[in-house]
Amino acid sequence: DTAVSQTPKYLVTQMGNDKSIKCEQNLGHDTMYWYKQDSKKFLKIMFSYNNKELIINETVPNRFSPKSPDKAHLNLHINSLELGDSAVYFCASSRQEGPTGELFFGEGSRLTVL
Amino acid sequence: AQSVSQHNHHVILSEAASLELGCNYSYGGTVNLFWYVQYPGQHLQLLLKYFSGDPLVKGIKGFEAEFIKSKFSFNLRKPSVQWSDTAEYFCAVNPSGGSYIPTFGRGTSLIVHP
Repeated sequence: DTAVSQTPKYLVTQMGNDKSIKCEQNLGHDTMYWYKQDSKKFLKIMFSYNNKELIINETVPNRFSPKSPDKAHLNLHINSLELGDSAVYFCASSRQEGPTGELFFGEGSRLTVL
Repeated sequence: AQSVSQHNHHVILSEAASLELGCNYSYGGTVNLFWYVQYPGQHLQLLLKYFSGDPLVKGIKGFEAEFIKSKFSFNLRKPSVQWSDTAEYFCAVNPSGGSYIPTFGRGTSLIVHP
C-alpha cells in the first residue's frame, strides 16, 4: 500500500488554466504539506496544514490554495497557471506527537505549463 | 526562522571513494535533523535522522551522520560509495516542539562513476 499517494503524476496544461493535484495519506498522520521542487531540485515549502492551523509560506502566490476535506487529504488547487509554475509538486505528511518532523513523501506530480 | 546550508552542490566520485556532505543549520533552539535521499525520478525518502542521544547516527545503506552541536552541523558520511548511491541528498531541520515547518537545504547532487 502506498503511504502517501498523489494524482496525477503528470499534468500538462496551458497557461491560464486552473488545475488541481490530489494527495492522500493512509498513515494516520496529523500534518500534511505541499512542497515545490524546481528545475534545480530546490525544495520550497508551500503549505503546512493540520486540523488546527494552516501555515502558508508568504512567498506563495494566492493563486495556489490548499483544500483539506479531511485529515487524510490535502489537495492543491492552482488558478491561472503561469509558465513559472512548471515544477514537481510533492505532498508529504508527518505526525504531530512524539518525535516529529520526519516526512513521508508522495511520488510527486510533474506539472508542465505550456 | 531556521535555515539550512549545504555547501557541496555537486559531487562526483568514483566507486569505493569516501563521501562526506556538509550540512549546517541556523537555529538557536533544539532541533531534529534529517538527511533525505532522492534517487533519479523518485520521491524523497528518509536516509537517517537525529532526535536526541548519541550524536553519531547510522542510517540505511551504510550512511551515517554526526551531529556537532557546537558547530551547528550534521554532516553525512559513507566510507565507500557505490554507483547506486547516485542521487540528490537533502539535509533538513525541524525545530523540536510547537508549530513548525521542516526546512530543507538546497540539496547536493552526487554522481558516482562505476
